[in-house]
This record gives sequence, C-alpha cells and structure tokens, in this order.
Amino acid sequence: NAGVTQTPKFQVLKTGQSMTLQCAQDMNHNSMYWYRQDPGMGLRLIYYSASEGTTDKGEVPNGYNVSRLNKREFSLRLESAAPSQTSVYFCASSEALPTDTQYFGPGTRLTVL
Amino acid sequence: AQSVTQLDSHVSVSEGTPVLLRCNYSSSYSPSLFWYVQHPNKGLQLLLKYTSAATLVKGINGFEAEFKKSETSFHLTKPSAHMSDAAEYFCVVKGDSWGKLQFGAGTQVVVTP
Repeated sequence: NAGVTQTPKFQVLKTGQSMTLQCAQDMNHNSMYWYRQDPGMGLRLIYYSASEGTTDKGEVPNGYNVSRLNKREFSLRLESAAPSQTSVYFCASSEALPTDTQYFGPGTRLTVL
Repeated sequence: AQSVTQLDSHVSVSEGTPVLLRCNYSSSYSPSLFWYVQHPNKGLQLLLKYTSAATLVKGINGFEAEFKKSETSFHLTKPSAHMSDAAEYFCVVKGDSWGKLQFGAGTQVVVTP
C-alpha cells in the first residue's frame, strides 16, 4: 500500500519554463489537495478537489492550474514558473472532508532560477 | 477568520524529559483542531485531532493535547521525549471555507541525549 505518491522528488526550472507535478493515491479517497510549504509559513493550500471532476481554488492559486484526472490522480501545473514559486509542494488526500485525516505525499522540492 | 499561533518556533528538550508545544487559536465557532508532525524530508502525519468530543485528546506515539476554550489553547504534550520525536510540529485549525485548513508556522523540536 503506497499511500500518496508524488513525482518528481526534485526539480530545477528556469524562469518561464513549465512543468507538471504528479500525485496519485491508492486509498480510494474522494478529496485531494495541493499545498506549498515555505519556511516560517506552515503549509498553504493552493487548490483542492472535493471529488472526481471538481476542483477549487485555495489560499494561493495564482500561477497554478490543476487537473483531477480520475479518482486516483491530481496534478499541479506551473505554466510559466517564477522564482516566487520556489518551494516544497505537498499533495494530500482525505476520505471525504478536509477535517478527515489527511495523508501526505513525500513532497517535491522545486527551485526556480 | 480562523487562525492559529504557535508560540515557540524552536523547542529543545533532553531525552526522557517532558515536551510542551504551545498553540493558541482564534475561531468564531467551535473549532476543529489538529496537530501534525513532519519528520525531516517527509510528508506530514496526523498526531491527533479535536472535533468537540473529549477535551483531552490522545494521539499516536504518546502525545496528547488539551482543548481549553477559556484560554483558546490547544497545547501538545508528551511526558517523556524520545530521540525519534525530533521533528517539526504544526498546529492546525479548520478554516472558514470548505477545504481549508489553517496551518501554524510550525515548532521545530530538537531532542538531545
């Protein structure tokens, strides 16, 4: 049982490049989330998906897009990366509600030069 | 708006001594509160949660937290620290909108032999 997996683990981009962060869960969870973690700021919600086929903006959505490809997979896309998007990105899932236990992936460390 | 304040950014304890991590919250209604732990280079893991049942909440690995409405606090304690408790701890409150959890800035715990 892998839980929540994320790829890649590390990535370096140049300003203006695009990339997609992949996330998959094998727990049959309905809800999935993308967070970014910056020093001294805890985690901030970028986007979430309450169920297959739906997505909604979180606290810091600007510069990002998401796709809930199916129940298992939830991807995060940076269309034109900026240095301010240098961060550690975490994907999480929960059974239904955000107050249910959220299970986190290992994270993607992204640097934008 | 819901928010949390972790009163210590860094706590250092000796192995075998008690651990106290302090968290104050702000909420306009009865809150849902959580403590998550993040070990180095890992994703977050739920330690415990309070959702208006018993005010003393027991979690994994010997941690517990007490909800005190009069003090708007949700402090995390453990009677005896272990080396494996070295990690970053986040106090979290359910936010205003669906999907949102409001994370504190985190408390880094160092355990010395």
